[in-house]
Amino acid sequence: ETGVTQSPTHLIKTRGQQVTLRCSSQSGHNTVSWYQQALGQGPQFIFQYYREEENGRGNFPPRFSGLQFPNYSSELNVNALELDDSALYLCASSEKTRQDNEQFFGPGTRLTVL
Amino acid sequence: AQTVTQSQPEMSVQEAETVTLSCTYDTSESDYYLFWYKQPPSRQMILVIRQEAYKQQNATENRFSVNFQKAAKSFSLKISDSQLGDAAMYFCAYRGNYGGATNKLIFGTGTLLAVQP
Repeated sequence: ETGVTQSPTHLIKTRGQQVTLRCSSQSGHNTVSWYQQALGQGPQFIFQYYREEENGRGNFPPRFSGLQFPNYSSELNVNALELDDSALYLCASSEKTRQDNEQFFGPGTRLTVL
Repeated sequence: AQTVTQSQPEMSVQEAETVTLSCTYDTSESDYYLFWYKQPPSRQMILVIRQEAYKQQNATENRFSVNFQKAAKSFSLKISDSQLGDAAMYFCAYRGNYGGATNKLIFGTGTLLAVQP
């Protein structure tokens, strides 16, 4: 088990709604990355936050947004939900100053959009 | 753009036997990391083994070892003495070594490993 936690575990929303997912990083980590894992696929990078600033973004539309707080925990917000947003959302924390920069993953939030 | 390919959607191995999972990748970079992650049914992704591209020696972690062929851009995972607890989805992943820049992981599509008792 890593020290990364995510909430909620499961979530069901309808199209057009908004959702907020939360992630608490492992102690000592200052960077949080978010990934979307569709069923049967590998995780896809959404974005990364370092010291409360977005530090890189994957190929996701602006309705995917995030925040990082002073304690390095993070939120992923998705507006105007679409059916294709149904997926497992993973967050991973890391310590950017470490050369190996290993990412530690949380258990994920399973989002279902109806 | 970098890509990671896992051509084996599913694999099966008998308990105590050895299995090899394949991974190929494409990149124009010379300095990078390669990883194998395990995702059990409980979903938490766990790092199995890591290889730094500039190191010629293949990484080993207990029963897990890799065969890293940089010129061929191949990175296979060998699991020896397979155990029931090894059953999981295995992902191969790539990460460039960019210093302070974004260290995003690029994943393959995964190989589902079943271990038969």
